[in-house]
Amino acid sequence: KNEVEQSPQNLTAQEGEFITINCSYSVGISALHWLQQHPGGGIVSLFMLSSGKKKHGRLIATINIQEKHSSLHITASHPRDSAVYICAVSGSRLTFGEGTQLTVNP
Amino acid sequence: GAGVSQSPSNKVTEKGKDVELRCDPISGHTALYWYRQSLGQGLEFLIYFQGNSAPDKSGLPSDRFSAERTGGSVSTLTIQRTQQEDSAVYLCASSRDKANYGYTFGSGTRLTVV
Repeated sequence: KNEVEQSPQNLTAQEGEFITINCSYSVGISALHWLQQHPGGGIVSLFMLSSGKKKHGRLIATINIQEKHSSLHITASHPRDSAVYICAVSGSRLTFGEGTQLTVNP
Repeated sequence: GAGVSQSPSNKVTEKGKDVELRCDPISGHTALYWYRQSLGQGLEFLIYFQGNSAPDKSGLPSDRFSAERTGGSVSTLTIQRTQQEDSAVYLCASSRDKANYGYTFGSGTRLTVV
């Protein structure tokens, strides 16, 4: 069993839909990160959180430390949101989930 | 600099040759990480530098891989006697401190071993 598990692996949505990507982890962490990787490989850090909830534009990230679970939400999704979203947890290094491939169709 | 800079952006090399990949982290970031991502795969940890501490090399896949970080800044990842399975995107990331700050990733070096 991977230390960081994401679901779903693939997600296709229509423009405007509300999207949720889930991440569960099984190890102790100091922080959880949500990353975005576009085709071509560049990785952008979206959020780092250790408790509660953070919001940036249409993106919202939540974490429940007791349940070892985090969610990434995208409101009013747009085709430019199409990317791989990666959950990662940090101790001394980042441990990555396998990623969720999101495709938003116009 | 303003971001994490990696060079070269692309490298094609013949099997058996040595390659050096460079990472220039954000100024003042004490933590530096190397990861690699093979085609269609997730990110794999390679090595981690934190300040003047001994690096965490536990992710290096073989003794053909080594890395240095000179003066607490620029890092070089060296792969000796490259093999086709070394083909991947090699990503560098830096952070202000271990774990508790966000990471900034470089745009990676795409290595192709032919």
